Order: sequence, then structure tokens, then C-alpha cells
Amino acid sequence: GENVEQHPSTLSVQEGDSAVIKCTYSDSASNYFPWYKQELGKRPQLIIDIRSNVGEKKDQRIAVTLNKTAKHFSLHITETQPEDSAVYFCAASEGNNNDMRFGAGTRLTVKP
Amino acid sequence: NAGVTQTPKFQVLKTGQSMTLQCAQDMNHEYMSWYRQDPGMGLRLIHYSVGAGITDQGEVPNGYNVSRSTTEDFPLRLLSAAPSQTSVYFCASSYSQREGRQETQYFGPGTRLLVL
Repeated sequence: GENVEQHPSTLSVQEGDSAVIKCTYSDSASNYFPWYKQELGKRPQLIIDIRSNVGEKKDQRIAVTLNKTAKHFSLHITETQPEDSAVYFCAASEGNNNDMRFGAGTRLTVKP
Repeated sequence: NAGVTQTPKFQVLKTGQSMTLQCAQDMNHEYMSWYRQDPGMGLRLIHYSVGAGITDQGEVPNGYNVSRSTTEDFPLRLLSAAPSQTSVYFCASSYSQREGRQETQYFGPGTRLLVL
């Protein structure tokens, strides 16, 4: 089955700096890669996703890149703000929610 | 719409006790699922359902039962609680896959369970 590894486990940046979180996956059949943000004590919420027919997707200050050959994808947050502080999870699946596998999460802290 | 709701928010059980975690959604989603979240391990799928009357096992199903008698409700039952089941449980729902595209999952607020 799919195995997703996520790095780093913790990340601390200064407000205004960029943050990058990386994930690798094992199943070459995976074609859907969402990213979730989870604030302390809250539910995970989808912030961006990418499908295998696209190499990069951007939504304001966040972007995701996908390298299918290397089987890795990354989340980029630019101009970080304190409200970006949260745990971020990546995931990968072959196209069905029941085969989705999540990374262990990255705790991002943005210092004002 | 209330979205995905879960009750209770927090529960303490003794080893061997049973309980049911409730999950409901009002978005007419066919697909519903249960995850557990443990520190350093992300979210792991326990059980899922693609529609009323249909359930299947996920990655970590042992010790849990589910049923899906209606589209709206998807309860999770712990038959005999164990300390290893101490976790945060999230219910999620989505439309079934349409036009070959995976649908976004919406998560409930979670139930924090402590088994002593």
C-alpha cells in the first residue's frame, strides 16, 4: 500500500519568510495529493490539492509542486503570517478517499 | 448547513467499556469515513462507507464496528475499549468520486477519547 513520509516534523520561521514542507510517496499509481491545515484543537481543513496531470498549483500565498518521477510533492507558503501557525498534513491517494494515506504532519510556527 | 457534526466532544472510558461515537452530515454526501489521529502518526482510516447499507474496513479497523443505516449518520462503536484506543477521532464525508475525480473530504470537529 501507499506510504507517505513528511519532513520536517517541526518548522519555525520568522514572519514574512517562506516555509517549505516536503512529502514523498511510494505508490506510483497515486494521482491525488491534498494538503490539510489543522489549527490547535480544530479539524483538518483542505487548503490546496494537486492532481497528477499538473506540476504546480498556486492559490495566493500557498503553492504546491509535484514531481511524479521522483514521487515527491511540496507545499510552499510565502510571506508567512502568525495565523499560518498550525500543523500541516500531506496525503496521497490513487483516486479514492478510502485509499488515502496521510503524512505524520509538520508543526509550523511563525514568529512575529 | 451544519456540515459534519460529531458527539461527544470528549469522553473518558474505563478499559472494557463500550460506547458509540456519533457522526452526522447534512450535505447529502454518499461517502463517510472514520479516522483516528495519534501524535506523530497523522490520520489513519478506520472504516468507511460509500453509501447507506455499505461499509468496509480501512487501515486500522480492529476493535471498531460501524453501520450505515441512513445517508446522514455513520456511528462508530467501540465494543470493549482498550487504552490503545485513546486518540482523537475524526469523521469525514464527501461526495462519491464523480467524473473520475476524487472529491474533497470535509472533517467533523473530532471526539477526544481517553481510555483508562
